[in-house]
Amino acid sequence: QLQLQESGPGLVKPSETLSLTCAVSGVSITSGTYYWGWSRQPPGKGLEWIGVIYYSGTTHYNPSLESRVTISLDTSKNQFSLKLSSVTAADTAVYYCARNVEIWGQGTMVTVSS
Amino acid sequence: EIVLTQSPDFQSVTPEEKVTITCRASQNIGSNLHWYQQKPDQSPKILIKYASQSILGVPSRFSGSGSGTDFTLTINSLEAEDAATYYCHQSSSSPWTFGQGTKVEIK
Repeated sequence: QLQLQESGPGLVKPSETLSLTCAVSGVSITSGTYYWGWSRQPPGKGLEWIGVIYYSGTTHYNPSLESRVTISLDTSKNQFSLKLSSVTAADTAVYYCARNVEIWGQGTMVTVSS
Repeated sequence: EIVLTQSPDFQSVTPEEKVTITCRASQNIGSNLHWYQQKPDQSPKILIKYASQSILGVPSRFSGSGSGTDFTLTINSLEAEDAATYYCHQSSSSPWTFGQGTKVEIK
């Protein structure tokens, strides 16, 4: 059964880079016409789409974050990752990884604070 | 950027009542519209994909309709466990976007 699990530091200092990983089990990230994405949700607020990477490696990012975000695949570990640079308090949120539109991870809370 | 506008923002409903949530897109998105349910401290759970496609394991009381710019999520005979916030989401064109959410409360 397909499962996604986010992991990474729960606390990041302002101006540093947020790095998260989504471990995929139950299917290869290079199989089929899947895409793998990230979204986030600030405390008490709605959902914001960050970006997506296709099995081919093609990426699409939210223009509001594009200058700071990178999503990549690690086929050797069957996982994909999110890097968000120059973070501020506004980047504090629960970060979710997902496959296509159907399967979401449990989410991981990241706080940006000194 | 395609803006999704949900209505209402909040709805208080009695059990067994029918609930209708609408999502209007600022541009034609075909059928690339999906519905999620999110309960407190949980990740979003997909209810309907591509406007009207049902999801295995989701109760049949949840259904979706629409295409183009106007979409509807219907919950027939609401149950207490359906108390949650519901979001629509479009994957028609980048950046993908979400509606602002509709909170459904059980009276």
